[in-house]
Amino acid sequence: RKEVEQDPGPFNVPEGATVAFNCTYSNSASQSFFWYRQDCRKEPKLLMSVYSSGNEDGRFTAQLNRASQYISLLIRDSKLSDSATYLCVEDSNSGYALNFGKGTSLLVTP
Amino acid sequence: GAVVSQHPSRVICKSGTSVKIECRSLDFQATTMFWYRQFPKQSLMLMATSNEGSKATYEQGVEKDKFLINHASLTLSTLTVTSAHPEDSSFYICSAIPRRERGVYNEQFFGPGTRLTVL
Repeated sequence: RKEVEQDPGPFNVPEGATVAFNCTYSNSASQSFFWYRQDCRKEPKLLMSVYSSGNEDGRFTAQLNRASQYISLLIRDSKLSDSATYLCVEDSNSGYALNFGKGTSLLVTP
Repeated sequence: GAVVSQHPSRVICKSGTSVKIECRSLDFQATTMFWYRQFPKQSLMLMATSNEGSKATYEQGVEKDKFLINHASLTLSTLTVTSAHPEDSSFYICSAIPRRERGVYNEQFFGPGTRLTVL
């Protein structure tokens, strides 16, 4: 199974800051990517999908760079409630389940 | 949205016992369910893919005789950890998708997870 790599962090940022995470993938054939959010001891929840044109949802923006095989997540105006682990996820469309990165930990402080 | 439940949410057992974990899709029929395992500070690792009415497909390194999977109906899959040992202590999460089409992203809905502690 090809890898999805993320910087584990932790990223400690003050409330209101802008923070960005990157994720690299090795399977050039993968079509779909996602960012999931996982709170401590909870199941992952879909945050947003990432397609070739990128995606924006409120304070969150996800971008896909196929040439360099990385995706990014930008969080603007960070809130305390954004503190969580953010999982970069790949759907290879090969008939297998989702391929998860190890996650990037974010802590937003007052 | 679609809801997936897991039971139990937490279990503590003695080494050598077997533990059964249930995963149910509550408001949709799931032809495919997945079982993941997550150790502390690690990513979710796929253990097996469970298809209704057929044998599960296990990932490399996962012992099928130790982790028994049964997907007897379109709304229920069970994972039985047989002869559990302390190294099996982990967070087990299932997910389900309503249908499976190639070329189309099939959103997975995750259960809340089961935390297993083997003493």
